[in-house]
Amino acid sequence: AQSVSQHNHHVILSEAASLELGCNYSYGGTVNLFWYVQYPGQHLQLLLKYFSGDPLVKGIKGFEAEFIKSKFSFNLRKPSVQWSDTAEYFCAVGDDKIIFGKGTRLHILP
Amino acid sequence: GAGVSQSPRYKVAKRGQDVALRCDPISGHVSLFWYQQALGQGPEFLTYFQNEAQLDKSGLPSDRFFAERPEGSVSTLKIQRTQQEDSAVYLCASSLIQGQGYEQYFGPGTRLTVT
Repeated sequence: AQSVSQHNHHVILSEAASLELGCNYSYGGTVNLFWYVQYPGQHLQLLLKYFSGDPLVKGIKGFEAEFIKSKFSFNLRKPSVQWSDTAEYFCAVGDDKIIFGKGTRLHILP
Repeated sequence: GAGVSQSPRYKVAKRGQDVALRCDPISGHVSLFWYQQALGQGPEFLTYFQNEAQLDKSGLPSDRFFAERPEGSVSTLKIQRTQQEDSAVYLCASSLIQGQGYEQYFGPGTRLTVT
């Protein structure tokens, strides 16, 4: 079955801490991987994506993710978080239709 | 430029009522997607269109759910005889093309509450 598993439902960090959000997937087709973010009161928006090529993908606002095929993982990282990174983060996989994980609520303490 | 818009933003319906949710995609976007997001969950795929053709409706939870996009632009998601389990945020997304390289742009959603 196709699915996405996000390891943490709620993460609390202090500003300047490093971040890693785990994501594992199970998918039978061409693997296109995404991280979406939803800031409070705003729409879902794309943070970064992987389709092919370099497995280390850089996105907006200093985020990056690494596709590790052997581990079926696509973890999101940021070396130093800011208060403005407080949001909900969704890992997703798919081609035409996208399968989302349940999301991780990230709360950054000022 | 204008993004994806949805209306109404909030809808309260009594159980058994029919509702219609509208999505205006970004102008020129070929593909349009509907997702359902229950409280505390990620969005779940319902259906998608390429122009006016509905290519996949495998995510529609029951035959009470119906979507259309008759002219390949605006889309309507209709739910007949609403039930309490239909309460959720309904998200619409559009993309310029299909296949690798596309990005889905999401609207603000319609929050449906069935009482």
